[in-house]
Amino acid sequence: NAGVMQNPRHLVRRRGQEARLRCSPMKGHSHVYWYRQLPEEGLKFMVYLQKENIIDESGMPKERFSAEFPKEGPSILRIQQVVRGDSAAYFCASSPGGTGRYDEQFFGPGTRLTVL
Amino acid sequence: AQTVTQSQPEMSVQEAETVTLSCTYDTSENNYYLFWYKQPPSRQMILVIRQEAYKQQNATENRFSVNFQKAAKSFSLKISDSQLGDTAMYFCAFMKSFTSGTYKYIFGTGTRLKVLA
Repeated sequence: NAGVMQNPRHLVRRRGQEARLRCSPMKGHSHVYWYRQLPEEGLKFMVYLQKENIIDESGMPKERFSAEFPKEGPSILRIQQVVRGDSAAYFCASSPGGTGRYDEQFFGPGTRLTVL
Repeated sequence: AQTVTQSQPEMSVQEAETVTLSCTYDTSENNYYLFWYKQPPSRQMILVIRQEAYKQQNATENRFSVNFQKAAKSFSLKISDSQLGDTAMYFCAFMKSFTSGTYKYIFGTGTRLKVLA
């Protein structure tokens, strides 16, 4: 069973360009989470999605950032008109979902975005 | 709002020795989960150990154990018989428990651990 996959692993963009980060959850997982890690910091929650639904986007900047998890295909985190402050590692995690006490999240290897 | 504090930015330990990493948190919740994650230079997030707040017994995983003090809101990680491969950033994390499922880790800022040969 393949783990969570993210691509690209490294992405370089110039200021003003768009960045698209992809996340394929583990097989059987219907919940996806995006976290951002700025240099020398911990991961910070951005958004939580289920298939075709955004459940919680409280950690997402209001402008330029959007996320989707379509019925078919990977989850996409899109950053429009990137700025140098967007340079960070972006991690995706997935979980199977469920009604129990705990729904373990499995992390992907991350995408390192560098904005020149 | 919940917060997680790791007050030791960097630590070092001799190989085969024991080291303890500190973590405190703040929450008004009664049911929650606490975690320690390891992030080696590859940047992959690796779950080290998990503690459920409603369990009084401290969790252990081989050389890794925790000291969970719920009243003090403290959750330290002890690594015994340290190995060179333990060199990494270690993050403490909190997650609320919801009746319909849990989500949204809240991470501390991390402790960089270096194991010396």
